[in-house]
Amino acid sequence: GAGVSQTPSNKVTEKGKYVELRCDPISGHTALYWYRQSLGQGPEFLIYFQGTGAADDSGLPNDRFFAVRPEGSVSTLKIQRTERGDSAVYLCASRGFPGTSLNTGELFFGEGSRLTVL
Amino acid sequence: SQQGEEDPQALSIQEGENATMNCSYKTSINNLQWYRQNSGRGLVHLILIRSNEREKHSGRLRVTLDTSKKSSSLLITASRAADTASYFCATAPDTGFQKLVFGTGTRLLVSP
Repeated sequence: GAGVSQTPSNKVTEKGKYVELRCDPISGHTALYWYRQSLGQGPEFLIYFQGTGAADDSGLPNDRFFAVRPEGSVSTLKIQRTERGDSAVYLCASRGFPGTSLNTGELFFGEGSRLTVL
Repeated sequence: SQQGEEDPQALSIQEGENATMNCSYKTSINNLQWYRQNSGRGLVHLILIRSNEREKHSGRLRVTLDTSKKSSSLLITASRAADTASYFCATAPDTGFQKLVFGTGTRLLVSP
């Protein structure tokens, strides 16, 4: 697509429930990133994929968080047993493979998925 | 974790004035980038400066980088009300430079 698309834009859930957030990157972008942004803070790195594999998942806070990108395009961030502290905006970004014209260094962000855990 | 810290946290100016935001970071970098975020929206890339560059311009934006002090500044000249947003610096580490680490941001308010 023309830009990075994230769904849902808003998700309200109850503590303990399971949540999936989806990201559809820009066509042809091999790298995909997930960030989490709390109110008044900068984006906090969670994980990034190069193709289908997670190249760096050092930002995932605990084992309740998991992300997949099975076909190297769409990615899903999965949060199990949600807690109130998981409430935040989850941002997805993408860019092209290094050394190609699709990678000028910048990340292209989606509008985010706002998660509220009651 | 967040590598960069922006200063000031908030800045309020009048239209036509210049706005300067500073970013300090901790580790060696490959490049540093500045992003803008309107309230409730995603981030938009403004400018990228590489570790071997000292200054870069793009329209009304001027970015400087001092790797010896591990700091950068973003100057917006002749500000407009539409420049009201949060501004973040982001660093790509020297090793593993594919991962961008964001700072805490400066909230800029430009009044007409």
